[in-house]
Amino acid sequence: SQQGEEDPQALSIQEGENATMNCSYKTSINNLQWYRQNSGRGLVHLILIRSNEREKHSGRLRVTLDTSKKSSSLLITASRAADTASYFCATDAGGSEKLVFGKGTKLTVNP
Amino acid sequence: DAGVIQSPRHEVTEMGQEVTLRCKPISGHNSLFWYRQTMMRGLELLIYFNNNVPIDDSGMPEDRFSAKMPNASFSTLKIQPSEPRDSAVYFCASSLSNSLGPQHFGDGTRLSIL
Repeated sequence: SQQGEEDPQALSIQEGENATMNCSYKTSINNLQWYRQNSGRGLVHLILIRSNEREKHSGRLRVTLDTSKKSSSLLITASRAADTASYFCATDAGGSEKLVFGKGTKLTVNP
Repeated sequence: DAGVIQSPRHEVTEMGQEVTLRCKPISGHNSLFWYRQTMMRGLELLIYFNNNVPIDDSGMPEDRFSAKMPNASFSTLKIQPSEPRDSAVYFCASSLSNSLGPQHFGDGTRLSIL
């Protein structure tokens, strides 16, 4: 069963706008990761946030984690057409190396 | 540095045939993962190895699927006999074990079983 569930399933915005994607999960975690997948390619790791962290930044990416609500959000600021991709959250299975991925949010950034 | 290398990139074959997918992990990585991605089920972990030893194969759908890792630089996923419902994109990923850190994915093998 899926541990992480992203919301929304699809998002279409204009270049320059911000994009926010949410992820909810069910069990306790050590860390939560976000990945990007361009069409026809493998997943690329974007950012990892540990369970004792609340917010993390990497360039135009901002990730928050609320362990009390078992949720995370990924914000992409000043989006570009090149940000068009599917975005997945992944959680570890309570300390295991296994990652459980959600079904992803498909982001389209229109030029 | 070379990333995870998978071959072939595309495979089309008829049902009943044996299919072998190959993966070369990043040098120095000692954990290797095989995933299957479909529209219906998303990304599913099939099996993962640590130091060439299978640790968890609970995601392998049935006995028709088998995976091996004979050495640190090579792994195979075999389907025999193949069925149309096996059509999917199969990904291999590698990571440094015990780091609970990022996994590095290959670009996948798109498998079509006719």
